[in-house]
Amino acid sequence: DTGVSQDPRHKITKRGQNVTFRCDPISEHNRLYWYRQTLGQGPEFLTYFQNEAQLEKSRLLSDRFSAERPKGSFSTLEIQRTEQGDSAMYLCASSPGQGETQYFGPGTRLLVL
Amino acid sequence: GQQLNQSPQSMFIQEGEDVSMNCTSSSIFNTWLWYKQDPGEGPVLLIALYKAGELTSNGRLTAQFGITRKDSFLNISASIPSDVGIYFCAGLVSGSARQLTFGSGTQLTVLP
Repeated sequence: DTGVSQDPRHKITKRGQNVTFRCDPISEHNRLYWYRQTLGQGPEFLTYFQNEAQLEKSRLLSDRFSAERPKGSFSTLEIQRTEQGDSAMYLCASSPGQGETQYFGPGTRLLVL
Repeated sequence: GQQLNQSPQSMFIQEGEDVSMNCTSSSIFNTWLWYKQDPGEGPVLLIALYKAGELTSNGRLTAQFGITRKDSFLNISASIPSDVGIYFCAGLVSGSARQLTFGSGTQLTVLP
């Protein structure tokens, strides 16, 4: 399967703990995106990478959130000192260098207790 | 910020019926995308539209990019049970901003 993959698919954590999610984009896609989706809503943009450079960050991305894409391939999203309001589905998407179509992974569902 | 109004919020239809849903915006978009999302999964791309007025089909699905670039619709013909899910429209403004703006979704239920 050559689609976008995300790991883990589910994560339950206690408030105050740190969590890290991984995204592997479609091979040779140089653009990678993170979105957050809460129940009953469409995904909301968090941040975007072109190769290893993080080019854009949403105001939704508080100081507790950090994303990396060190080698321009996979990416990680870390949330420090999780809060109950961080509970959501975290989606990763990738797109090729040419064209705007974004392909999504299956998401990581986070529950903060 | 940019917002997309997607309607209807939910639909209950009989198997075999046609379905229509649409998205409108106060802003102009250069690309419209339609996705389907099943529970617990990520959105799956259905149709991509890149030019105003463009009409594109994918099997029983047909979508159009509005002439004003502020709206788009999706039609599903002869619905089947596996069409059940949430359908999202998403718009993109080309340029430095690469973020998709999503509608709030249309929950489709197909009754046998």
